[in-house]
Amino acid sequence: GAGVSQSPRYKVAKRGQDVALRCDPISGHVSLFWYQQALGQGPEFLTYFQNEAQLDKSGLPSDRFFAERPEGSVSTLKIQRTQQEDSAVYLCASSRLGEKLFFGSGTQLSVL
Amino acid sequence: GNSVTQMEGPVTLSEEAFLTINCTYTATGYPSLFWYVQYPGEGLQLLLKATKADDKGSNKGFEATYRKETTSFHLEKGSVQVSDSAVYFCALQRQGAQKLVFGQGTRLTINP
Repeated sequence: GAGVSQSPRYKVAKRGQDVALRCDPISGHVSLFWYQQALGQGPEFLTYFQNEAQLDKSGLPSDRFFAERPEGSVSTLKIQRTQQEDSAVYLCASSRLGEKLFFGSGTQLSVL
Repeated sequence: GNSVTQMEGPVTLSEEAFLTINCTYTATGYPSLFWYVQYPGEGLQLLLKATKADDKGSNKGFEATYRKETTSFHLEKGSVQVSDSAVYFCALQRQGAQKLVFGQGTRLTINP
C-alpha cells in the first residue's frame, strides 16, 4: 500500500480482555516503531524493531504488553488483561534505516 | 533524561497572523530536533528537522532554528492559513538512538 496501515481503526474492549493491534508498514521499510498516545499528550515510545529483531522494548509499560514482527514485515502489538489506563491511541511508524518516519493513523483503544 | 517541553495550547489566531510555537528540550549531547504535524483525521507527518546547532529547518513556510545555547527549537510562520489548523509536536532524537521523544503537542486553530 501507499502508507502505513493500522487495524482496527477503533477497538472497544472490556477490562480484562486481550487485544491485538495490527500494523502493516510500508513495503521495504526495515524499521518499525510502536508509540502510545494518551488523550491530549504526545506519543510515548513503546518498542522498536529492525526487521524481525526487537532491538528496544524499554517503553513497554508492563509485561501485559507484547509486540512481535516475525517475518520482518507486519507487526502485532498485543495487550493482555486490558486495564482502563491502557485506553489510548496506538501509533505505528516505519522507515528505511535512519530515514524519515511514516506514521499510520493509529488504533484508538477504549477499555471499559 | 531526555525531554521536550512545548508551549501550552490551544492557540487560536486569525488568518495571516504571525505564528510562534515555543519548544525547549533537555538532552545530553547533540540530539536531532523535529517538528511533526497532525492534521485532523490523519497520521503524524514530519514538517521539518534540524540535526545540528544553528541549522534551520524549513517547509511549507514554517521555520525553526536549532539553538544550542538556549536549548530551543521554536516553530515560526510569517502568515498562517486556515489550512495550518492542526496539532504540532516538537520532538528530539538522541544521537545514535532510533526512538523519538515528543512534547505534549500544541493545538493550533486558524480562523478566517
